[in-house]
Amino acid sequence: GENVEQHPSTLSVQEGDSAVIKCTYSDSASNYFPWYKQELGKRPQLIIDIRSNVGEKKDQRIAVTLNKTAKHFSLHITETQPEDSAVYFCAANHLQGGSEKLVFGKGTKLTVNP
Amino acid sequence: GAGVSQTPSNKVTEKGKYVELRCDPISGHTALYWYRQSLGQGPEFLIYFQGTGAADDSGLPNDRFFAVRPEGSVSTLKIQRTERGDSAVYLCASSLVGSYEQYFGPGTRLTVT
Repeated sequence: GENVEQHPSTLSVQEGDSAVIKCTYSDSASNYFPWYKQELGKRPQLIIDIRSNVGEKKDQRIAVTLNKTAKHFSLHITETQPEDSAVYFCAANHLQGGSEKLVFGKGTKLTVNP
Repeated sequence: GAGVSQTPSNKVTEKGKYVELRCDPISGHTALYWYRQSLGQGPEFLIYFQGTGAADDSGLPNDRFFAVRPEGSVSTLKIQRTERGDSAVYLCASSLVGSYEQYFGPGTRLTVT
């Protein structure tokens, strides 16, 4: 079945450095790739997404890139701040029988050290 | 505007009991999803509603799990004969039809003792 792999599982950076999280997916029909940020005990929060018709999207300090041929996409956070510390999940949509469910990676725990 | 809401926020129940978890989606969102998130894992899909009907229930783990959305708005996830393995955070998400973005509620933390 559909699968999303996410790496690394943990990432520790110094404040001001960049952080990169990578995901691969298996379903070639997937065309929507969101990223969620989840703080401890809170709901997953959509922070950025990308559709299959573009290769890159940027929103202030965060950017996503997509390589459909290789079936991988990445989240880039520049000038990291302590409040960026959280668990980040990538996901890909799975289109089957009218459903648009999301398949999630296992998450990356990002720690930004002051 | 108001986001997705879920009640209760926490539920502790004994093994074998029946529980109901409620989700109130964003007003006007016709698509509603239930996911389950275990500790240290990403959300896992359970069931998807488009309007009142379950368009995809392929993620329900077994027939102890059932969900309804009788009026196309509020949804209830029902779990019969709960088992300790059912302990997890149950998340609800909603989206506009034709839109990919899913917005999550705060979840219900279910603990089966």
